[in-house]
Amino acid sequence: DTAVSQTPKYLVTQMGNDKSIKCEQNLGHDTMYWYKQDSKKFLKIMFSYNNKELIINETVPNRFSPKSPDKAHLNLHINSLELGDSAVYFCASSQPLIQGRYEQYFGPGTRLTVT
Amino acid sequence: GESVGLHLPTLSVQEGDNSIINCAYSNSASDYFIWYKQESGKGPQFIIDIRSNMDKRQGQRVTVLLNKTVKHLSLQIAATQPGDSAVYFCAERKTSYDKVIFGPGTSLSVIP
Repeated sequence: DTAVSQTPKYLVTQMGNDKSIKCEQNLGHDTMYWYKQDSKKFLKIMFSYNNKELIINETVPNRFSPKSPDKAHLNLHINSLELGDSAVYFCASSQPLIQGRYEQYFGPGTRLTVT
Repeated sequence: GESVGLHLPTLSVQEGDNSIINCAYSNSASDYFIWYKQESGKGPQFIIDIRSNMDKRQGQRVTVLLNKTVKHLSLQIAATQPGDSAVYFCAERKTSYDKVIFGPGTSLSVIP
């Protein structure tokens, strides 16, 4: 069973289009995230949601709008796509463990290519 | 500002040898330091973490060392295997603020 799943795995689209990436986790975690990984493999957090509530918004352009219909889903909608949005987008989820520890589980990623 | 970085962007090791991947960080306020492994075409996978009040933690074939004096973190992989080939990220996290900051990654290549 896939713990964190994302669709689609690949997304090729033209500049100016609007697209969405979906994420679902079946781990029962309360917190979900979106990360962007650029061509140099650098991973940067974009958003974090806890129980459907936005916790972290890392100065991401407002063309990016996350939506969490329930705590098992966190979708990412992107308006007016730009060339610089080309990257791999990872969804993740986490749950606190004892003594402040936690493990973060990542999805397989969505490779977005904007032409 | 906050930053987590790596000394070596690429590392090649012979199968069976030990690997050491290093990481420097600048934020002393982090509570946990974490290592992730990312295989080609996959998402990062948690390997091991260490709390800021510890200096060493061991897992299966992996050991993480934390030197707070020089703000240095390392991941040691014993008897490196071809399946260990991947990009390794160090990351840091503050318990009070659920945000993980990743370093730029080191690519480990295991030579059979």
